[in-house]
Amino acid sequence: DQQVKQNSPSLSVQEGRISILNCDYTNSMFDYFLWYKKYPAEGPTFLISISSIKDKNEDGRFTVFLNKSAKHLSLHIVPSQPGDSAVYFCAAPQRVGAGSYQLTFGKGTKLSVIP
Amino acid sequence: NAGVTQTPKFQVLKTGQSMTLQCAQDMNHEYMSWYRQDPGMGLRLIHYSVGAGITDQGEVPNGYNVSRSTTEDFPLRLLSAAPSQTSVYFCASRRQAPWEATNEKLFFGSGTQLSVL
Repeated sequence: DQQVKQNSPSLSVQEGRISILNCDYTNSMFDYFLWYKKYPAEGPTFLISISSIKDKNEDGRFTVFLNKSAKHLSLHIVPSQPGDSAVYFCAAPQRVGAGSYQLTFGKGTKLSVIP
Repeated sequence: NAGVTQTPKFQVLKTGQSMTLQCAQDMNHEYMSWYRQDPGMGLRLIHYSVGAGITDQGEVPNGYNVSRSTTEDFPLRLLSAAPSQTSVYFCASRRQAPWEATNEKLFFGSGTQLSVL
């Protein structure tokens, strides 16, 4: 069963408006979350992260919000720019053995920012 | 600063052929891994390594072998390619195996697009 879920496969937003990408998780042991951005024909690149001891982390136009009680996080992009058009993955480190973690990813949301 | 380097970028195989996807990192990272990306499936872990000489299976290991003889290299071997292995493959590495620091992150290569006919 998928422990990190991105239920919206795609999202279209007008340039200059806010983009909100959502992510839900089922494992209450997750205590750290990351967002990755992926352009076509490139590898995913780290965008922003948040620790479970915080409910918000901001980096320029990108803000991630965490609601632990709802097991929900969201990525806000304000203002959206055409260069933000990419696939965004939500991810969480999951312990898989003594001292070992693997990064579990959602299925991704394809954001299209329309000029 | 090369980071994570994957070769080749593109490959076409016939069913039953074997090949090795190469991955090298120059950041002295302890942890290395292989993911595959398929439409609608996100990124799924194939195999990973927590250090030289130590490997383990991920979510979708069948049909793939790995070895880690050095810290820098982590090749992925397809022993007998099948059409179901048509995918984009990403190698990724991070500084250490335990996720101890909140600034820990995974670094990805640019990917290998593999088609099996």
